[in-house]
Amino acid sequence: KQEVTQIPAALSVPEGENLVLNCSFTDSAIYNLQWFRQDPGKGLTSLLLIQSSQREQTSGRLNASLDKSSGRSTLYIAASQPGDSATYLCAASHYYSGNTPLVFGKGTRLSVIA
Amino acid sequence: KAGVTQTPRYLIKTRGQQVTLSCSPISGHRSVSWYQQTPGQGLQFLFEYFSETQRNKGNFPGRFSGRQFSNSRSEMNVSTLELGDSALYLCASSFGSGVRDIQYFGAGTRLSVL
Repeated sequence: KQEVTQIPAALSVPEGENLVLNCSFTDSAIYNLQWFRQDPGKGLTSLLLIQSSQREQTSGRLNASLDKSSGRSTLYIAASQPGDSATYLCAASHYYSGNTPLVFGKGTRLSVIA
Repeated sequence: KAGVTQTPRYLIKTRGQQVTLSCSPISGHRSVSWYQQTPGQGLQFLFEYFSETQRNKGNFPGRFSGRQFSNSRSEMNVSTLELGDSALYLCASSFGSGVRDIQYFGAGTRLSVL
């Protein structure tokens, strides 16, 4: 059974700092890995999707990497801003039919202080 | 293009009652997945529908059921509500498989069971 872990559970950084959020998964037989952002009381916004054959994806100040062999993904945020404050979740999908489409970590709550 | 729409946004029910939640996917999307989010358990997969057929089901009791209509709109029903059913219920749509394709989430329905 796939388990996805995100450490730390919460992180506070000053504005302008570069930061890395970590995601680990126990089963490397994933189809892809997605990073989401969730603002308080809101739904999830997809940030980046990395296919299992890819090593990284970039969107603006965000860069996500994937290392299937070690069961790890990281989300790098450059030059953080107060508007980046939110909970960031990673989710792994499985190729095998009948499995849960997405298994989520519990998220990292990020606070960027102005 | 309109996003995923969930109604209602908030619900208050009492134990023993039943509730129906609705999800309208992005136009053209055929897959709808449902998730339950609680502070303790995080995001947990309920079920996925594709072209009116349930394709995957999570580990929830039979009190939780769903269906999908020919226009891809989906409903989720919870019967005999328990206090532990209080949660944010999120719906996500994707063009094809919930495993392969990016999932787009709605804002959720917050259910409170008293």
